[in-house]
Amino acid sequence: ETGVTQTPRHLVMGMTNKKSLKCEQHLGHNAMYWYKQSAKKPLELMFVYSLEERVENNSVPSRFSPECPNSSHLFLHLHTLQPEDSALYLCASSQLGVQEQYFGPGTRLTVT
Amino acid sequence: AQKITQTQPGMFVQEKEAVTLDCTYDTSDQSYGLFWYKQPSSGEMIFLIYQGSYDEQNATEGRYSLNFQKARKSANLVISASQLGDSAMYFCAMRANTGANSKLTFGKGITLSVRP
Repeated sequence: ETGVTQTPRHLVMGMTNKKSLKCEQHLGHNAMYWYKQSAKKPLELMFVYSLEERVENNSVPSRFSPECPNSSHLFLHLHTLQPEDSALYLCASSQLGVQEQYFGPGTRLTVT
Repeated sequence: AQKITQTQPGMFVQEKEAVTLDCTYDTSDQSYGLFWYKQPSSGEMIFLIYQGSYDEQNATEGRYSLNFQKARKSANLVISASQLGDSAMYFCAMRANTGANSKLTFGKGITLSVRP
């Protein structure tokens, strides 16, 4: 595997379900990010992990819970979501001090 | 606060021709970076090109070049010799060079369709 991978690629869940999104980067980076992309809206940064510590939480509801067990893995735990949470969730990674971020293919989430 | 504006409607270009995608930005930071990403229908955001605010020359990467006009706060992407595979959404983004975290602010994106 190379680059940034995300699983699952598609997820349909009910509002009472609990699920997790997984992201893995194979680039040796030390920062990871979760973004939300809703239809017709700019990408919204949700969380930033730098050296495995959460350094940013952009007023994200508590029904989204991130976890970064090591520098290569990032999870987004989901519970009691709302239909408006349906979106493409993108993970990215970067090396601190280097400009560009590299993105995974995203998880298309539908909440029913 | 940073803001990226992409106001063009869907863009169309004939294969092999050049196309310019517009981006304007607003920031109070003195040092910042500007990026363009491509998002095909598969969903992945693909990094294309980067321009630093203190770079004197416009950035180029293969068929991509960035027309950086600092006084006008614009960072337009020029794609030369368009190919069918260039059909995608294109996002302009910026990052302030303060602190250790690479927080990107994105625009709403522009849809580019390349016609054969």
